Amino acid sequence: GAGVSQSPSNKVTEKGKDVELRCDPISGHTALYWYRQSLGQGLEFLIYFQGNSAPDKSGLPSDRFSAERTGGSVSTLTIQRTQQEDSAVYLCASSPARSLFFGPGTRLTVL
Amino acid sequence: KQEVTQIPAALSVPEGENLVLNCSFTDSAIYNLQWFRQDPGKGLTSLLLIQSSQREQTSGRLNASLDKSSGRSTLYIAASQPGDSATYLCAVDDSGNTPLVFGKGTRLSVIA
Repeated sequence: GAGVSQSPSNKVTEKGKDVELRCDPISGHTALYWYRQSLGQGLEFLIYFQGNSAPDKSGLPSDRFSAERTGGSVSTLTIQRTQQEDSAVYLCASSPARSLFFGPGTRLTVL
Repeated sequence: KQEVTQIPAALSVPEGENLVLNCSFTDSAIYNLQWFRQDPGKGLTSLLLIQSSQREQTSGRLNASLDKSSGRSTLYIAASQPGDSATYLCAVDDSGNTPLVFGKGTRLSVIA
């Protein structure tokens, strides 16, 4: 596949459970971003990975959120003890420079 | 802190009309500005990227302009088609090393 892929496409979970969202970026893209899009809201930046540098975690809303990027490629966003306000579409994007290529997103619903 | 505003929030036009979408940003010291399109249930697709030194970029029926001094950008769509119906988002890159700051988007409906 030539584009950014994300899995699962939809995730329904119960309040208090942990979830993991996966992003497979375009091969060779050094930068990877996670954004969150809530209903009626713009995109909210969560975390940014650039090469081997320490990630920019300034957008993570709480310590229940964490992300890692293994081998400079696949990234996993983990949300612990999910809350209803975590319900949103989680979008991943990768970039070779500054033009972003987005994945289709994971729609998370916390009941 | 950079803030990006898009007006209107929603727009409905008949097919064939030319239209303008507006984007404003509070800090004019930007690196570049991008316009994206988002179809329902899908991710974002980059349409146009304007570097801070540029005034406009064109792609087909789309033309984006940038006026840094006034903190404004417009996306002009000529001869609109029903297939143009989507949400259009504007995003500002402040420095080349910071995440893009997005507006909330304009939801466009082109009626056949």
